[in-house]
Amino acid sequence: SQTIHQWPATLVQPVGSPLSLECTVEGTSNPNLYWYRQAAGRGLQLLFYSVGIGQISSEVPQNLSASRPQDRQFILSSKKLLLSDSGFYLCAWGTSGGTDTQYFGPGTRLTVL
Amino acid sequence: AQKITQTQPGMFVQEKEAVTLDCTYDTSDPSYGLFWYKQPSSGEMIFLIYQGSYDQQNATEGRYSLNFQKARKSANLVISASQLGDSAMYFCAMRGPSGGYNKLIFGAGTRLAVHP
Repeated sequence: SQTIHQWPATLVQPVGSPLSLECTVEGTSNPNLYWYRQAAGRGLQLLFYSVGIGQISSEVPQNLSASRPQDRQFILSSKKLLLSDSGFYLCAWGTSGGTDTQYFGPGTRLTVL
Repeated sequence: AQKITQTQPGMFVQEKEAVTLDCTYDTSDPSYGLFWYKQPSSGEMIFLIYQGSYDQQNATEGRYSLNFQKARKSANLVISASQLGDSAMYFCAMRGPSGGYNKLIFGAGTRLAVHP
């Protein structure tokens, strides 16, 4: 069965510091991968998606970036965090075709101080 | 533009009763998918149920059913025999236009509280 992992689970970072969040998927090949952000008490907003290694598309202009160095690894990064980057970051995987259901990881709660 | 609306910020229900969570959507795409996710306090988004725009019957998954009314553009989630563990945020989502990836557009969510 498929499993999706995210780490770290929680992170407190100062403004201006770098960021690296990692997501890995097990039990599937060539998944579509997604990064979402959820502000407190709100729905999810898609940040990035990837349909293959090295293929990244951005949905929202921001100071974040994403990379996919391996088939089942998706990384969210920033060179300098802003206060507005605080939130809950969720990684998801899915496959094209069928119902196209996306399955989410446990999330990373980021607080920028 | 596609949009999901959940008008109930909070709902409560007695244990063992049924509850309906509302969701309306707007899209001009003839092919779309509708999803419901549960988010407990731990934060993980748990997939509950899916309804395709061409599905003739309402989707059901155990105690969850989706009341799909295409002409009214509504996709309400019905939870039967509520349990204390059903207390969580519930999000309705719609798959975006087809084209190589599948963007999900989420509503603002409904917080459900199940009372003993």
